[in-house]
Amino acid sequence: GAVVSQHPSWVICKSGTSVKIECRSLDFQATTMFWYRQFPKQSLMLMATSNEGSKATYEQGVEKDKFLINHASLTLSTLTVTSAHPEDSSFYICSASGSAQETQYFGPGTRLLVL
Amino acid sequence: AQSVSQHNHHVILSEAASLELGCNYSYGGTVNLFWYVQYPGQHLQLLLKYFSGDPLVKGIKGFEAEFIKSKFSFNLRKPSVQWSDTAEYFCAVNPGGSYIPTFGRGTSLIVHP
Repeated sequence: GAVVSQHPSWVICKSGTSVKIECRSLDFQATTMFWYRQFPKQSLMLMATSNEGSKATYEQGVEKDKFLINHASLTLSTLTVTSAHPEDSSFYICSASGSAQETQYFGPGTRLLVL
Repeated sequence: AQSVSQHNHHVILSEAASLELGCNYSYGGTVNLFWYVQYPGQHLQLLLKYFSGDPLVKGIKGFEAEFIKSKFSFNLRKPSVQWSDTAEYFCAVNPGGSYIPTFGRGTSLIVHP
């Protein structure tokens, strides 16, 4: 089946630093990748949708200058949390879908803790 | 805006009990429907999905779900749960023609031996 990986699986950083999270589709070409944020005991909140080679589409209320998304190839998307603050601490999950765009395959998530 | 409601936030069952988790959505047109499961410490996995055809969908691990269009529902069922079914369960809905899903807030299932 389709496999999506994320790196790193967890990261601790100081306030004010930037953190990059990678999302890779390992055995299929992901025309679309999604970035979600999950708060404890809550559902997934879609942050943005990115298509390979084009700018990401951000959901309302998500700061595009703070959460930089790059989808440079059909197998890699990156999320950079710029100038991270403690309130950015969360579980970030990516997912990817192929040409049919009907089913998403999820990565294992990245837990970010900003001190 | 469309919404997805999962009314059971926490469910606790004994092994071998039957399970039904509710999912209702508000979108009036054609929809694609999904149930995902997130086991402790693991990533979301697709349990089953409905796009068209037979409204009773069989998924992995003995799960099934029934799409009832008139009730805007897609409830998840399993006749006999196991301890290993302890997990978070998420319902998700794509409006027809869109590949961007809306997720319900999830149901936490605990199955005790």
